[in-house]
Amino acid sequence: GAVVSQHPSRVICKSGTSVKIECRSLDFQATTMFWYRQFPKQSLMLMATSNEGSKATYEQGVEKDKFLINHASLTLSTLTVTSAHPEDSSFYICSARDRGLNTGELFFGEGSRLTVL
Amino acid sequence: AQSVTQPDIHITVSEGASLELRCNYSYGATPYLFWYVQSPGQGLQLLLKYFSGDTLVQGIKGFEAEFKRSQSSFNLRKPSVHWSDAAEYFCAVGPISNDYKLSFGAGTTVTVRA
Repeated sequence: GAVVSQHPSRVICKSGTSVKIECRSLDFQATTMFWYRQFPKQSLMLMATSNEGSKATYEQGVEKDKFLINHASLTLSTLTVTSAHPEDSSFYICSARDRGLNTGELFFGEGSRLTVL
Repeated sequence: AQSVTQPDIHITVSEGASLELRCNYSYGATPYLFWYVQSPGQGLQLLLKYFSGDTLVQGIKGFEAEFKRSQSSFNLRKPSVHWSDAAEYFCAVGPISNDYKLSFGAGTTVTVRA
């Protein structure tokens, strides 16, 4: 099956620094990737839609300057949390759509847990 | 707008017993429906999906779900749970369009007791 890999799986950083999380589709091309944020014991909150070769589309209330998304190739999207603060600590998950499949199925990464000290 | 409701926040079931997780959706057209499972600290794994056709769909790990249009429901079932089924379960609905955004329910935590 289609595999999506996220890296790093865990990251701890100091307040004020920036952190980059990568989302890769390993065996398929993904024209669209999605970034979610998940708080403990809660559901996934869609942050933005990442489209290859174009600007990301952010959901209402998500700061685009805070959460920079780049989708430079058909297999890689990155989320950069800029000037991270403790309230940015969360579990971030990406998903990808296989451009070769005309279905609604998304393939999810393993998630990245960010802890900001 | 599409939305998904999972009425049960937490369900505890004995190993070997049957399990049913409820999911109701609100959507203006025929939806794509999904059930995902998430183990602690992990991403989401697709259990099964419904696009069209037979309203009873079979998934992995012995799970099945039934789409009932009249009730706007897509309940997940398993006849006999295993301890490894303890996890968080999410129902999701998606549009038949190119944006492929999914709306997720709040999730149901399943605890399996010996």
